[in-house]
Amino acid sequence: DSGVTQTPKHLITATGQRVTLRCSPRSGDLSVYWYQQSLDQGLQFLIQYYNGEERAKGNILERFSAQQFPDLHSELNLSSLELGDSALYFCASSVEPHAGKLFFGSGTQLSVL
Amino acid sequence: EDQVTQSPEALRLQEGESSSLNCSYTVSGLRGLFWYRQDPGKGPEFLFTLYSAGEEKEKERLKATLTKKESFLHITAPKPEDSATYLCVAYMGSGGYQKVTFGTGTKLQVIP
Repeated sequence: DSGVTQTPKHLITATGQRVTLRCSPRSGDLSVYWYQQSLDQGLQFLIQYYNGEERAKGNILERFSAQQFPDLHSELNLSSLELGDSALYFCASSVEPHAGKLFFGSGTQLSVL
Repeated sequence: EDQVTQSPEALRLQEGESSSLNCSYTVSGLRGLFWYRQDPGKGPEFLFTLYSAGEEKEKERLKATLTKKESFLHITAPKPEDSATYLCVAYMGSGGYQKVTFGTGTKLQVIP
């Protein structure tokens, strides 16, 4: 158990809808990262927050947004969903703002039908 | 463009048959090279960090090494429980800028 909690584990929705994925980092970790993993692609970095502020942005679509709250949990909002958004979404956390050593949650499997 | 390439894409070994996984990287400002293990439907699990050429790290049947252009993950006498996808990750940057690039992984299957 990495200590990173993601909910829900599975999410099935329709095109055009909006969903929210939630992540609680390990106790003491200030940095939260969101990754997307599709069947035919490796892990794609979306966005990072450190202590409530956006730290780095990757290949995140404009339809997607995220935030980190004062209690350090984070939410990833996906809107106007398309079939191609179906993927595993991982949250990871680390103590430091610049870190390659990450602790990953077990992911949210999103299926857009 | 920063690139991390892993080979082979898939590897099938008999139990006890040692082999190596390769990770070649073309990046600027490498700060560290990481190896992760990922089981199906689960998040990656950290294995090793390597910071400089010549460095080696070991854990049970796994040994990771680093040169200036590539890293190897050696698996000695593997067991079926070693079956997983192994991911190589380059960590780059300096100052306030940092970037992490994942390779697409090597899917290892160890047959009893």
